Amino acid sequence: EPEVTQTPSHQVTQMGQEVILRCVPISNHLYFYWYRQILGQKVEFLVSFYNNEISEKSEIFDDQFSVERPDGSNFTLKIRSTKLEDSAMYFCASSEVSGSNRQYFGPGTRLTVT
Amino acid sequence: AQTVTQSQPEMSVQEAETVTLSCTYDTSESNYYLFWYKQPPSRQMILVIRQEAYKQQNATENRFSVNFQKAAKSFSLKISDSQLGDTAMYFCAFRLKTSYDKVIFGPGTSLSVIP
Repeated sequence: EPEVTQTPSHQVTQMGQEVILRCVPISNHLYFYWYRQILGQKVEFLVSFYNNEISEKSEIFDDQFSVERPDGSNFTLKIRSTKLEDSAMYFCASSEVSGSNRQYFGPGTRLTVT
Repeated sequence: AQTVTQSQPEMSVQEAETVTLSCTYDTSESNYYLFWYKQPPSRQMILVIRQEAYKQQNATENRFSVNFQKAAKSFSLKISDSQLGDTAMYFCAFRLKTSYDKVIFGPGTSLSVIP
C-alpha cells in the first residue's frame, strides 16, 4: 500500500528557533493536510492545502505557521519562532481527491521545543 | 460545531476475547462520514473502518465491526478475537460530507490486549 513519509522522525529545537517539518505525500494525491497531537491529547487539524493554496485552517494555525509545496513532491510545515507549547507530534496526511473518505497519514514527526 | 467523545480513556481485553469501544458525536448535519483510526505504539495512524452516515448497514472489516446508531449519534467499534497486535490507541473520527478537508478526532481510547 502507498505510504506518506515524514522527516525527521524526531526534531529537537530551542525556543524561538525556526523549524521545517517535511512530508512526502503519496505521488498521485492532490490534497495535503497537517495535524498536531500534543502528548496525551487528541489529534487536532491544523491546515489543508490544495493547488498551492491553503483551503482550510484551524485557529491553531496562526501567523507563526506556514505551509509550502516547494518542489511538487514535498509538503512542508514551517514554524517560524517555536514556543514550548509547540512540542507535539505533527502528522502529515494526503488524499487523492477532495471529499475522499480516506486521508492517508504519515508516521509523524515528534517536535520537542526546549 | 462538531464534537467527538470517547468516554473510555483506557480499556483492556484478554487475547481472543471481544471488546467494544464507545464513541459518540454531536452534529446538526445529516451527511457525514465516521471513522475509526488505530495508532499503534509505532505512531502511524491507520484507518481501521469507515461508515457513511446515509448507509444503515453497519460496516465490517474482518474482525472489526461497528454499531452505528444514527439517532443516538453513537458509533462503537467491536473487535472480535482480539490479538496482541490490536494493542493501540483507537481514535473515533468524524468528517462532514460537505467539508472536504477537516477530520475531527475524539480523544482516543488506549486498548491493551493481554496475553
